[in-house]
Amino acid sequence: QKEVEQDPGPLSVPEGAIVSLNCTYSNSAFQYFMWYRQYSRKGPELLMYTYSSGNKEDGRFTAQVDKSSKYISLFIRDSQPSDSATYLCAAGPPSGGGADGLTFGKGTHLIIQP
Amino acid sequence: DSGVTQTPKHLITATGQRVTLRCSPRSGDLSVYWYQQSLDQGLQFLIQYYNGEERAKGNILERFSAQQFPDLHSELNLSSLELGDSALYFCASSSSGGELFFGEGSRLTVL
Repeated sequence: QKEVEQDPGPLSVPEGAIVSLNCTYSNSAFQYFMWYRQYSRKGPELLMYTYSSGNKEDGRFTAQVDKSSKYISLFIRDSQPSDSATYLCAAGPPSGGGADGLTFGKGTHLIIQP
Repeated sequence: DSGVTQTPKHLITATGQRVTLRCSPRSGDLSVYWYQQSLDQGLQFLIQYYNGEERAKGNILERFSAQQFPDLHSELNLSSLELGDSALYFCASSSSGGELFFGEGSRLTVL
């Protein structure tokens, strides 16, 4: 079992819909969580970063962490075609980068249909 | 623009050859990470350097090696290349906060 699991998709939704992207993790030592967005043939870029359980909002994006169930979510409101990308969740130990760095999921490919 | 620079962007070579990928981290970042990304394996951590010293190793093959120089740039050396080494290789840097900032990647094709 991989430490961070994501459904690879593709997930296709109409423009304007609310998108829900999810990950599960297995390592209880993971204490900080990130979402990265990766456009085709580009490097991943950091979207959201959180240490705690609960919600963190940034514009149209909301990250949610439930440590009790080891479940990570990213919600995108009012989705736009420009949101079409692969979304990678990542989790890491508390030492910030840690000995092994972050562990990434394989990513979910999201398509927003105009 | 993340501030992390990687060269070359694309590289095509033959099996058995050796290549060197180069990374310049964001100004002020002491940590450099190397990742390999392939379609079936996703983003795999290879190795981390901190201020010139190796900090952690992930799934890095013995045919691969890396180093970080006094000016903090890093190189990833891949030798005795095999077809399966074809992938995107990303460098990332971080400060103390733990967030990783990725370069645009080097796409390696081994024929």
